[in-house]
Amino acid sequence: DAGVTQSPTHLIKTRGQHVTLRCSPISGHKSVSWYQQVLGQGPQFIFQYYEKEERGRGNFPDRFSARQFPNYSSELNVNALLLGDSALYLCASRPGVQGDATNEKLFFGSGTQLSVL
Amino acid sequence: AQSVTQLDSHVSVSEGTPVLLRCNYSSSYSPSLFWYVQHPNKGLQLLLKYTSAATLVKGINGFEAEFKKSETSFHLTKPSAHMSDAAEYFCVVSGAGRRALTFGSGTRLQVQP
Repeated sequence: DAGVTQSPTHLIKTRGQHVTLRCSPISGHKSVSWYQQVLGQGPQFIFQYYEKEERGRGNFPDRFSARQFPNYSSELNVNALLLGDSALYLCASRPGVQGDATNEKLFFGSGTQLSVL
Repeated sequence: AQSVTQLDSHVSVSEGTPVLLRCNYSSSYSPSLFWYVQHPNKGLQLLLKYTSAATLVKGINGFEAEFKKSETSFHLTKPSAHMSDAAEYFCVVSGAGRRALTFGSGTRLQVQP
């Protein structure tokens, strides 16, 4: 079975541009989460979606947005890119109990490495 | 609020010797705690999780961790390191509304031959 797939694997943008990152969850998983991992740090929570609705948001500016499609895939959009947005962006999926994340294992993709110049 | 502190940014051991990766947590409620491993160019993989059952948790690849409430610790151990254990390890606590995970800053484990 395919795991969580993310595209593209690498991306280079310039300041002020916009970027869209894509994620396909494991088949049957209804919940998708996005994390940002800056070099040398642990991942930070950005968003969680379940059944196409936002269920959680981390401490990120409004330049960051996301959505989930009927097939449960997801996009992360970042507007007006800053140098500090350079990071590895990780997508994770789980079967999707509406409640907490503690009782379900999260499956992570390999990430999209975004470089902002 | 909840947070985790990984006490060592780098740990180096010799192959065949024990591994100890230290983690302290802070949580305003009964925490759920995890250890994840990240190999280069690969996604994060769950090693083990504690969710208020047995305090000694066994995970994959011979790793285990002990939840000590009195010390607010959740240290990861392995009796004998293997070269393939070299990776970045993250201690994690369930976050806001338990819908998010809060990661520590990571410990890079090096295994010397």
